[in-house]
Amino acid sequence: DTGVSQDPRHKITKRGQNVTFRCDPISEHNRLYWYRQTLGQGPEFLTYFQNEAQLEKSRLLSDRFSAERPKGSFSTLEIQRTEQGDSAMYLCASSPELAGATDEQFFGPGTRLTVL
Amino acid sequence: GENVEQHPSTLSVQEGDSAVIKCTYSDSASNYFPWYKQELGKRPQLIIDIRSNVGEKKDQRIAVTLNKTAKHFSLHITETQPEDSAVYFCAAKGFIHQGGKLIFGQGTELSVKP
Repeated sequence: DTGVSQDPRHKITKRGQNVTFRCDPISEHNRLYWYRQTLGQGPEFLTYFQNEAQLEKSRLLSDRFSAERPKGSFSTLEIQRTEQGDSAMYLCASSPELAGATDEQFFGPGTRLTVL
Repeated sequence: GENVEQHPSTLSVQEGDSAVIKCTYSDSASNYFPWYKQELGKRPQLIIDIRSNVGEKKDQRIAVTLNKTAKHFSLHITETQPEDSAVYFCAAKGFIHQGGKLIFGQGTELSVKP
């Protein structure tokens, strides 16, 4: 499968624990995005990387959230001291950075987080 | 701030009828407008998109129209089929954030009854 992959697909944790999610974008896609989707809502932007540089962060991304893309390939999203309100689907997307290329963002299957 | 409003939130049609979903956006600098289809438990998948220099785009039974002056765009599905049943999201991307974030609408749950 050459699409965007995410791991794990499901995560159940207790309030106060730390969790880390991984996203592997489509090979050679320079741009990588993280979104959060709650039930019945559209995805909400969290943060964006171009190669290894984190270029934009949403106000939704509190100090408990941190994202990295150390080598410009895969990315990790860590949530510290999880709260019940963090329960959501965390989606990763990637897109190429080529002149004239599509603006399409290709989404991964998501990681569903449940905080008990 | 940037905002995309989507209507209706639910839409039920008979198989073979047409379905129309409408979105308005607030950022006049937005220049790219994709539509995603999301089936239950699955990832969003692009079905059609349009750039701000085009007023209409069609792909078989699906079409999108854009009115930049009014800052709204619409998805049209003709000859609907049961497999069109899903949640549809519109989105907008701004020129300032070229290569950056998409702002999504709230979604429309489309149900096509056989």
